Amino acid sequence: EDQVTQSPEALRLQEGESSSLNCSYTVSGLRGLFWYRQDPGKGPEFLFTLYSAGEEKEKERLKATLTKKESFLHITAPKPEDSATYLCAVRVDSGSARQLTFGSGTQLTVLP
Amino acid sequence: EAQVTQNPRYLITVTGKKLTVTCSQNMNHEYMSWYRQDPGLGLRQIYYSMNVEVTDKGDVPEGYKVSRKEKRNFPLILESPSPNQTSLYFCASSHRPNNEQFFGPGTRLTVL
Repeated sequence: EDQVTQSPEALRLQEGESSSLNCSYTVSGLRGLFWYRQDPGKGPEFLFTLYSAGEEKEKERLKATLTKKESFLHITAPKPEDSATYLCAVRVDSGSARQLTFGSGTQLTVLP
Repeated sequence: EAQVTQNPRYLITVTGKKLTVTCSQNMNHEYMSWYRQDPGLGLRQIYYSMNVEVTDKGDVPEGYKVSRKEKRNFPLILESPSPNQTSLYFCASSHRPNNEQFFGPGTRLTVL
């Protein structure tokens, strides 16, 4: 069974304190790993897609990396507006058009 | 503005009273999905649709129905809602299964 585990469940940082969120997965035939940001009371918002080990993508203070077993979302010098829940999801080559398996998310709080 | 809309945003109902949650997208996406989000369980796919008149079950389809008569609309139907269907529901769309999904704002459903 495909599994996606995110850690930590919650993370509190001071403004400017860099850190990383982890998404580990046990799947066969990875077709893509997705990162989303979700603000309270809103739908998830797409951040990145990673397709193969070694791939990296950046957007402002965020950088996503991918290995064969896990992905990291690095947050450099975070600001309070980066506070949100960050979700990762994987799509596998199962022969089905079913989409994504999501992790439970990491709730990030950045204190001013 | 490219968007996915859902209605209603909030709904309180009673066990057994049929209800429909509407979903519409204006991006001409072929792929649409419904998810439910529950604390500690993450986002779980209920149903998806690859195109008009093509739908299939996701991970948790029991108690739900969908239809796709037009490309832009993908309603979620609960024929006889039960309290265990109390949840936050999201509709999402994408061009293809492996593309990033655009999520609606969510519908918070409470079944008493």
